Amino acid sequence: GEDVEQSLFLSVREGDSSVINCTYTDSSSTYLYWYKQEPGAGLQLLTYIFSNMDMKQDQRLTVLLNKKDKHLSLRIADTQTGDSAIYFCAGISGNTPLVFGKGTRLSVIA
Amino acid sequence: KAGVTQTPRYLIKTRGQQVTLSCSPISGHRSVSWYQQTPGQGLQFLFEYFSETQRNKGNFPGRFSGRQFSNSRSEMNVSTLELGDSALYLCASSLRPATNTGELFFGEGSRLTVL
Repeated sequence: GEDVEQSLFLSVREGDSSVINCTYTDSSSTYLYWYKQEPGAGLQLLTYIFSNMDMKQDQRLTVLLNKKDKHLSLRIADTQTGDSAIYFCAGISGNTPLVFGKGTRLSVIA
Repeated sequence: KAGVTQTPRYLIKTRGQQVTLSCSPISGHRSVSWYQQTPGQGLQFLFEYFSETQRNKGNFPGRFSGRQFSNSRSEMNVSTLELGDSALYLCASSLRPATNTGELFFGEGSRLTVL
């Protein structure tokens, strides 16, 4: 089944770009997702990318997918203090439910 | 449109007790999935219900059980609580079965503390 790995922490200065990285194991993953969890809240879907795409841009968010290396990244441009949260990479393939990485805690320094 | 509602938000139990958590999905959503979130293990899938049938089950002991009602509301139950069951339990709903979509809508969770 799918296994998803992420670095646990990232700290950036307000106004800089943040890049959160993720690797996955199942090359048959059809969709890959990014979720955001703010303190005391549930998860919120940010964006997703289909496996036949290399890149997807949505306002300040850019998702890059390297299928050969099974590497997914989320870039947040002009990072704001409100972007401080835990970001989860997740994948779905075959008949298995969504598998989440352990999350990357993004801290934005003003 | 109301979001996913979980009750209770917080609860404290002692070892050996049992607990029931409730989840009301978004109106029209027939799939409800449950996840356990802990600092060490992250998000782990418990089970999924679609139209009152359990479609998938994660790798948890039989003390963890669930059900779904005809109005799509779901409950999960944990019997004989252990200290390690302390966690945030998240419910997520979706239009399609969770194996067919990763677009899940999460509630705010029920934080269980076992003493």
